[in-house]
Amino acid sequence: KQEVTQIPAALSVPEGENLVLNCSFTDSAIYNLQWFRQDPGKGLTSLLLIQSSQREQTSGRLNASLDKSSGRSTLYIAASQPGDSATYLCAAPALGSNYKLTFGKGTLLTVNP
Amino acid sequence: DTGVSQDPRHKITKRGQNVTFRCDPISEHNRLYWYRQTLGQGPEFLTYFQNEAQLEKSRLLSDRFSAERPKGSFSTLEIQRTEQGDSAMYLCASSLNGQDNEKLFFGSGTQLSVL
Repeated sequence: KQEVTQIPAALSVPEGENLVLNCSFTDSAIYNLQWFRQDPGKGLTSLLLIQSSQREQTSGRLNASLDKSSGRSTLYIAASQPGDSATYLCAAPALGSNYKLTFGKGTLLTVNP
Repeated sequence: DTGVSQDPRHKITKRGQNVTFRCDPISEHNRLYWYRQTLGQGPEFLTYFQNEAQLEKSRLLSDRFSAERPKGSFSTLEIQRTEQGDSAMYLCASSLNGQDNEKLFFGSGTQLSVL
């Protein structure tokens, strides 16, 4: 059974800092890994999807890396802004699936102006 | 692309009542998913449709829960005889098989409160 863990559970940083969010997963035979953002009381917004054959993906100030052998992914946010404040969720597919996602509990990020 | 739509956004009901939620996926997406999220937790998989066929159901989906996608477009999730433990955010997502390696697009969710 796939298990996903995210560290830290919460993070508070001043505006402008670079930061790293961590995600670990137990089943490394995954098709892909996704990072999502969730604002309070809202649905999820897909940020980045890393395919199993890739090591990283970039979108603007966001960079996500994937190391299948160690069962780890990181989300790097450069030059953080108050608008980045949200919960960030990591999700990996269940064993043998490319669609049934197992989510971590998320990291609650607060960027202070 | 109008995104995934869910209705209603909020539902308050009394224990024992039946409720139904609707999800309209992105129009060309053939896969549709329902997830449930409680406070402080990540979403948990409930069920999955490919076109109109329901291909997988989680053990979380008790006999009181039923989901349909009759024409392979919109989907409904019904909860009968609601219990307080059903209170959660119900999220719908869709994807296109083979597109973007199955990137999921989520709706804004339906927040259910059972009193």
